[in-house]
Amino acid sequence: DVVMTQSPLSLPVTLGQPASISCRTSQSLVHSDGYTYLNWFQQRPGQSPRRLIYKVSNRDSGVPDRFSGSGSGTDFTLKISRVEAEDVGIYYCMQGTRWPWTFGQGTKVEIK
Amino acid sequence: EVQLVESGGGLVQPGGSLRVSCAASGFTFSNYWMSWVRQAPGKGLEWVANIRDDGSENYYVDSVKGRFTISRDNAKNSLYLQMNSLRAEDTAVYYCVRFTRRLPDDYWGQGTLVTVSS
Repeated sequence: DVVMTQSPLSLPVTLGQPASISCRTSQSLVHSDGYTYLNWFQQRPGQSPRRLIYKVSNRDSGVPDRFSGSGSGTDFTLKISRVEAEDVGIYYCMQGTRWPWTFGQGTKVEIK
Repeated sequence: EVQLVESGGGLVQPGGSLRVSCAASGFTFSNYWMSWVRQAPGKGLEWVANIRDDGSENYYVDSVKGRFTISRDNAKNSLYLQMNSLRAEDTAVYYCVRFTRRLPDDYWGQGTLVTVSS
């Protein structure tokens, strides 16, 4: 199985400041079709998860442009340019390239 | 508006069986692969199973293979997860998910809690 390793696991941030989460994978996520199916999910307290980013860097509908994804191969990053109060929650990277699809452990973002 | 509404969760004894359901609306259900994702209390997410749009293919995580069966009824716009030989470690909120790898927009239900305990 592809192991997804996120860091940090806890991320206290100041409102208005940037934040960055790393996701490293145990295998390349490049699919045989040429796409890299690396996703980022947000789970706010008490809510179902929702995807923010698909295929490394594409934002889902309605996702603010302060969220961006980057990376390639086995090394990926989610960045929040300026953290807002509504960004508090747990963020997961997830790969959809090789079955079973797997998630990272989650990074808890909280306001300092 | 896309809606996914799970039902059927509850308390079941170890070794028992349970079927959870998901009622889909607001989109052409038969056009989409569907999935079940679970989350143990206070823990992370685990992708459990996928089923093709026409039901002809399915995939399971190893921990449930041979015990869980994902199925769908496109005429009823419904997704199911039959869970047999349940274990304490299957205790989780089970989410019904419409997820597309290549295109934007995923949809999750509110989840249904399955508790396996004596």
